[in-house]
Amino acid sequence: AQSVTQLGSHVSVSEGALVLLRCNYSSSVPPYLFWYVQYPNQGLQLLLKYTSAATLVKGINGFEAEFKKSETSFHLTKPSAHMSDAAEYFCAVSGMTGGGNKLTFGTGTQLKVEL
Amino acid sequence: KAGVTQTPRYLIKTRGQQVTLSCSPISGHRSVSWYQQTPGQGLQFLFEYFSETQRNKGNFPGRFSGRQFSNSRSEMNVSTLELGDSALYLCASNSDRGYEQYFGPGTRLTVT
Repeated sequence: AQSVTQLGSHVSVSEGALVLLRCNYSSSVPPYLFWYVQYPNQGLQLLLKYTSAATLVKGINGFEAEFKKSETSFHLTKPSAHMSDAAEYFCAVSGMTGGGNKLTFGTGTQLKVEL
Repeated sequence: KAGVTQTPRYLIKTRGQQVTLSCSPISGHRSVSWYQQTPGQGLQFLFEYFSETQRNKGNFPGRFSGRQFSNSRSEMNVSTLELGDSALYLCASNSDRGYEQYFGPGTRLTVT
């Protein structure tokens, strides 16, 4: 079984400060890991993905994440927060199951950006 | 390339009724997944269809069903609606390579 744990359901940062959203995974097979962002009343937008290539993954909007197998982590970072980054962020894991794949999501982290 | 479209965007139904939601994936994608999002349970996988066949299924009662057509469009159906079925239902269009899933805007279902 696969799972992800997101530490901190709410994170608040000042505009211009570092954003760090934490995700730890559990998987019995090599995982594929993803970060998605959800703005109010919208669907999920893919920020970035890890699929066993480079361990440091760069995504859209200045976000990046580093896959650390020894720590089973895939934390999301952004050097400088912008007001437009305020949203809910979901970490997800996928693995090959029965020839297909499904995403198992964490519980989400609501990011608040303050002036 | 057009994104994932879901119809309708909003729906209000009464307990006991049934509902059908529609999803059109990205052109060329053969796989579609459905998820339910609620404040209490978060995002939960419902099922995945690939080339008209259900390939994966989540842990939901039989009232939840789906199908996929030859043009890859998918529908999901919920029969005998319960208050707890109120949720945002998200459809994802799945890339054949890379395993990323691209989500539509969702259908907000309210059961009264």
